[in-house]
Amino acid sequence: DARVTQTPRHKVTEMGQEVTMRCQPILGHNTVFWYRQTMMQGLELLAYFRNRAPLDDSGMPKDRFSAEMPDATLATLKIQPSEPRDSAVYFCASGPLEWDNSNQPQHFGDGTRLSIL
Amino acid sequence: AQKVTQAQTEISVVEKEDVTLDCVYETRDTTYYLFWYKQPPSGELVFLIRRNSFDEQNEISGRYSWNFQKSTSSFNFTITASQVVDSAVYFCALSGGNRDDKIIFGKGTRLHILP
Repeated sequence: DARVTQTPRHKVTEMGQEVTMRCQPILGHNTVFWYRQTMMQGLELLAYFRNRAPLDDSGMPKDRFSAEMPDATLATLKIQPSEPRDSAVYFCASGPLEWDNSNQPQHFGDGTRLSIL
Repeated sequence: AQKVTQAQTEISVVEKEDVTLDCVYETRDTTYYLFWYKQPPSGELVFLIRRNSFDEQNEISGRYSWNFQKSTSSFNFTITASQVVDSAVYFCALSGGNRDDKIIFGKGTRLHILP
């Protein structure tokens, strides 16, 4: 089965460091989403792309977060500088532009568990 | 604005009992999609179902069933004869009618099935 691949699975670093999370969407998927999951806020959408173009990043703190798709096989989410409040699980999801009744709209990766000390 | 409310933060039931997870949504769209996802203790998000706003038929899949009622803006999820493996966090979600609209998730209901 095709899967969304996220790296790293776990990351522990000190505050102030740059963090880069990577996502390889399923081949042929046109949409890519970044979510952050915390106990307090649940699943929040940070950014999403269609055909590599950013459609909405209103959920993302602009001063320290950035999301890009340098090519169709790679999406990145960067935090610089990182802060303890950024500790969360970050999920990437990809989806086909056209759904049909047999397709799920978004396939999620296993997430990156980020801890900022 | 779109919103999904899962009022039940946490539920515990004894194995083999039936349990219903509530989901209430708000949207101004006439066309929209509703979803349920499961997040087991291992952390991955597992897609369970998608329903569009024009299809109010109830859905049954094995021990899982879903009751969509537009009149009350609800999309409830029932597990019959629950099993310990059903223990997970369950998320209800909503998206607009365009197929690349973002999906808005509820806060989730943590379900504990006790042996």
